[in-house]
Amino acid sequence: GNSVTQMEGPVTLSEEAFLTINCTYTATGYPSLFWYVQYPGEGLQLLLKATKADDKGSNKGFEATYRKETTSFHLEKGSVQVSDSAVYFCALSDRAYGQNFVFGPGTRLSVLP
Amino acid sequence: DARVTQTPRHKVTEMGQEVTMRCQPILGHNTVFWYRQTMMQGLELLAYFRNRAPLDDSGMPKDRFSAEMPDATLATLKIQPSEPRDSAVYFCASGTGTGSNEQFFGPGTRLTVL
Repeated sequence: GNSVTQMEGPVTLSEEAFLTINCTYTATGYPSLFWYVQYPGEGLQLLLKATKADDKGSNKGFEATYRKETTSFHLEKGSVQVSDSAVYFCALSDRAYGQNFVFGPGTRLSVLP
Repeated sequence: DARVTQTPRHKVTEMGQEVTMRCQPILGHNTVFWYRQTMMQGLELLAYFRNRAPLDDSGMPKDRFSAEMPDATLATLKIQPSEPRDSAVYFCASGTGTGSNEQFFGPGTRLTVL
């Protein structure tokens, strides 16, 4: 079946450091890929998405590129802020799989001032 | 600003009591999802509705959990009887079910069963 694997956290960085959170997926069809962010005490919010190979999703300084050849969708940000501290979830939605979402386990990011 | 609403935001109850959680999806969305989030298990899909019909509830313990959509503006998740292991945050999400099938999450209901 479909699955999403993320790098284990927690990830702790200093402010202005470069961030990469790895995400790889397995899918039977041709999925759409997402990154969601969850701030403390809140629900998940869509951060960015990509619907086809080589698409780059971007938002709030975060970027991720849909790489079909490596089945990856790594999240990057050039300079993190304390306010970026949250849990980040990689997810996919596959039309061949009933369009159900499959979420990764989440990666907790802590950014220190 | 359209958003998914959930009530109650917090619920503390005793083991054996019935718990009902409610969700109002975004107007016009025809897919609704219920998730449970715990530290140990992460985010688990409990049930999935399209046009008010249940399409997948395989993640839900059938003996005590039930999910319904009485109308297009209300989804409910009921636990009867509740147990301490049900303590978690329960999220509702809705979507259009088309295109990339993006989901919009509510703020969650934090349930504590004593």
